[in-house]
Amino acid sequence: ETGVTQTPRHLVMGMTNKKSLKCEQHLGHNAMYWYKQSAKKPLELMFVYSLEERVENNSVPSRFSPECPNSSHLFLHLHTLQPEDSALYLCASSPTGGKGTDTQYFGPGTRLTVL
Amino acid sequence: AQSVAQPEDQVNVAEGNPLTVKCTYSVSGNPYLFWYVQYPNRGLQFLLKYITGDNLVKGSYGFEAEFNKSQTSFHLKKPSALVSDSALYFCAVRPLYNFNKFYFGSGTKLNVKP
Repeated sequence: ETGVTQTPRHLVMGMTNKKSLKCEQHLGHNAMYWYKQSAKKPLELMFVYSLEERVENNSVPSRFSPECPNSSHLFLHLHTLQPEDSALYLCASSPTGGKGTDTQYFGPGTRLTVL
Repeated sequence: AQSVAQPEDQVNVAEGNPLTVKCTYSVSGNPYLFWYVQYPNRGLQFLLKYITGDNLVKGSYGFEAEFNKSQTSFHLKKPSALVSDSALYFCAVRPLYNFNKFYFGSGTKLNVKP
């Protein structure tokens, strides 16, 4: 295992529901990331946090709301999602956010299905 | 627009044969280049990266990758494929002008047949 855990592993929700995805890293890293993985499409970087401060937001719809209460935890709050939001959501961490040579460590992902 | 291309959705090779998974990129400057592998129901795992120096980079599990600046390519290679190498492989690029950006390809499924 990589030291990055995600819960839940699977989530089914209706379009009017509100749910949250949780990510926790046990590596002592300072940067955390949310990605969206859809079949046969490039991974989409959604949000980047460095030292609990959001440093990147790649034009993600407001129905996705991230939260980083400390450097070990990252949440993705979901509300009024659309069926096209169904995907695998991956969390990753890296030692620092500002060092380009850093390797990212990924969690196993949450498989989200929006009905 | 910045992008990473993995032209093959799937690569099929026989066990023991050499394999190549292709990656080309269109990103400004001299970016950092990465390869990741994803096994079923798992997150991505780091394989190798190119930062600077020798164009041939060696990584985990016997994989290597060759950086070609003129062709803006970073192909993944292995001299002798194993059935256990069967997985989804992603090429990724991190531009020097913004380390908070990461561009990934769409992935290549490698099938190694016994």
